[in-house]
Amino acid sequence: DAGITQSPRHKVTETGTPVTLRCHQTENHRYMYWYRQDPGHGLRLIHYSYGVKDTDKGEVSDGYSVSRSKTEDFLLTLESATSSQTSVYFCAASGQIRYGYTFGSGTRLTVV
Amino acid sequence: SQQGEEDPQALSIQEGENATMNCSYKTSINNLQWYRQNSGRGLVHLILIRSNEREKHSGRLRVTLDTSKKSSSLLITASRAADTASYFCATDDRETSGSRLTFGEGTQLTVNP
Repeated sequence: DAGITQSPRHKVTETGTPVTLRCHQTENHRYMYWYRQDPGHGLRLIHYSYGVKDTDKGEVSDGYSVSRSKTEDFLLTLESATSSQTSVYFCAASGQIRYGYTFGSGTRLTVV
Repeated sequence: SQQGEEDPQALSIQEGENATMNCSYKTSINNLQWYRQNSGRGLVHLILIRSNEREKHSGRLRVTLDTSKKSSSLLITASRAADTASYFCATDDRETSGSRLTFGEGTQLTVNP
């Protein structure tokens, strides 16, 4: 997982509170992604970015927002956390899709 | 919904045996990639096969692609206990070309010593 750092690694939060997850890359990759991983669903794309201030929605974007003010940082915000957002969140980065992604180690989020 | 579907969902074999995992997808693709995930870790890129390729090798890994059947297989030969992990296929779809990958649900491989 060298080059992609996610923080925090674990978080427990209460329903209704905002939560921000951070992803930092040192590889100067253009593309960055946030996925969530749940049993029976594999990895589902939440949002992605194709450059500074350029972002787009994935298949499960409701309740989430993102920001990318610098190439190296991609933030995922849960505006008002719900129990259905309990999941493991993965950040990934890529220079070109044809060369694959580099993933972070994940953030385990529990909403109680 | 997921583009790729892996089969089987879980596979348990003995060390030294070969493991075969299959992936089916629904759309036209530029390439298909396989990833491994060890428990509690992020995914790691293993191998990529382009849509105009039929077979590719990397060490003990062999990947095949049949675009007419929209399917791929990953073969791990002479498996080791350290190969125990989840394996995911991911497609670079022509419709979303170059912007993102779509992942399947994964196959959990257990290699017993």
